[in-house]
Amino acid sequence: QQQVKQSPQSLIVQKGGISIINCAYENTAFDYFPWYQQFPGKGPALLIAIRPDVSEKKEGRFTISFNKSAKQFSLHIMDSQPGDSATYFCAARGAGNNRKLIWGLGTSLAVNP
Amino acid sequence: GAGVSQSPRYKVAKRGQDVALRCDPISGHVSLFWYQQALGQGPEFLTYFQNEAQLDKSGLPSDRFFAERPEGSVSTLKIQRTQQEDSAVYLCASSLGSGNTEAFFGQGTRLTVV
Repeated sequence: QQQVKQSPQSLIVQKGGISIINCAYENTAFDYFPWYQQFPGKGPALLIAIRPDVSEKKEGRFTISFNKSAKQFSLHIMDSQPGDSATYFCAARGAGNNRKLIWGLGTSLAVNP
Repeated sequence: GAGVSQSPRYKVAKRGQDVALRCDPISGHVSLFWYQQALGQGPEFLTYFQNEAQLDKSGLPSDRFFAERPEGSVSTLKIQRTQQEDSAVYLCASSLGSGNTEAFFGQGTRLTVV
């Protein structure tokens, strides 16, 4: 059973547009929600992360929106650029000694020039 | 080094062969993780070390998989009697502390079992 569900599986956006990727989780013990960006042949790199005590976090063109009651969070990429074309993963981590990340299945983003 | 280093980058093994994958974490990082990423999938947790202690190995898929970090720095993931379903990218990540600190990933080792 997928504990973190991510959609869409793939996304095509025009340059300058807004890319939106959504994730939903089941376990209310999760207390840290990162988004990772992965280019082909590379390891995932942290893009932005949020904790459930805030509803939104913005870093440059990247924004996480978090809805604790709905157990959902989303990544918004403003002014999308061809260089943003990559696979994006949402993830969640539990509190306490459980340090492992539970990952979504990924979204392949293509930004057309 | 500047980042997490994994070797080899690519490994082709014949079915039944044993393999060893190496991870050099960022110097001083306490926590070390191994993940398995199948083609087109998200990473799946394998095991977690805090210094030399293996605190969680719940993700290791079978007793053919074994990981160690004897001196709390370099880690080795060993797979015995490899099977075709073991083909995947094996990612190593390290983080500075045991709390909610950012995990930095290496480029991974792509294992292909033929």
